Amino acid sequence: EVQLSESGGDLVQPGGSLRLSCAASGFTFSNYAMNWVRQVPGKGLEWVSGIIGRGTLTYYADSVKGRFTISRDNSKNTVYLQMNSLRAEDTAVYYCVNDPGSRVVSGAFHIWGQGTVVTVSS
Amino acid sequence: DIQMTQSPPSLSASVGDRVTITCQASQDIRNYLNWFQQKPGKAPKLLIYDALNLETGVPSRFSGSGSGTHFTFTINSLQPEDIATYYCQHYDNFPFTFGQGTKLEIK
Repeated sequence: EVQLSESGGDLVQPGGSLRLSCAASGFTFSNYAMNWVRQVPGKGLEWVSGIIGRGTLTYYADSVKGRFTISRDNSKNTVYLQMNSLRAEDTAVYYCVNDPGSRVVSGAFHIWGQGTVVTVSS
Repeated sequence: DIQMTQSPPSLSASVGDRVTITCQASQDIRNYLNWFQQKPGKAPKLLIYDALNLETGVPSRFSGSGSGTHFTFTINSLQPEDIATYYCQHYDNFPFTFGQGTKLEIK
């Protein structure tokens, strides 16, 4: 069974940093692109970032470009989201999502993790 | 960025009704469209991909149609467990964007 499990969400002050992790199981991790999608509580969904299977290409939403970095460790079946210079508007549930693209980030989101909560507040 | 305009924002229907939600893209996205179901406190669940293909394990009362800029999502014979918020999402190019959601309630 395909499973994605996010961790690392926390309460952090504006300007602070946080690293989210997503552990994957049940599929050949390196054959799949991975994405992060966030949702402000009670609001809609926003794609944040994606990374191809080999980890050599990454993509970002304009709202996080230059502040967030996506990476992956295929030996650990884990994808990460390093979030720096956090703002109140980054407060959201962050979901890890797998993507059937291998050499591309296709955006064809299939399996989602349960999410991890990030709160940016003083 | 491609804007996805979903309607209606909310919908109330009776068990057994046929329910239709529409999604309009601001430019041609071919058939690169997903439909998701999200229940409170849960992650979104993929129902339809490539505009009309039913994800494995999803009941056949769910269906999708359309291409280009206009898309439709239908639930035939609404069931109580279908109460949720439904989202469309395009994946034609970056950034991938979602509709605002349609909250479905039972009358």
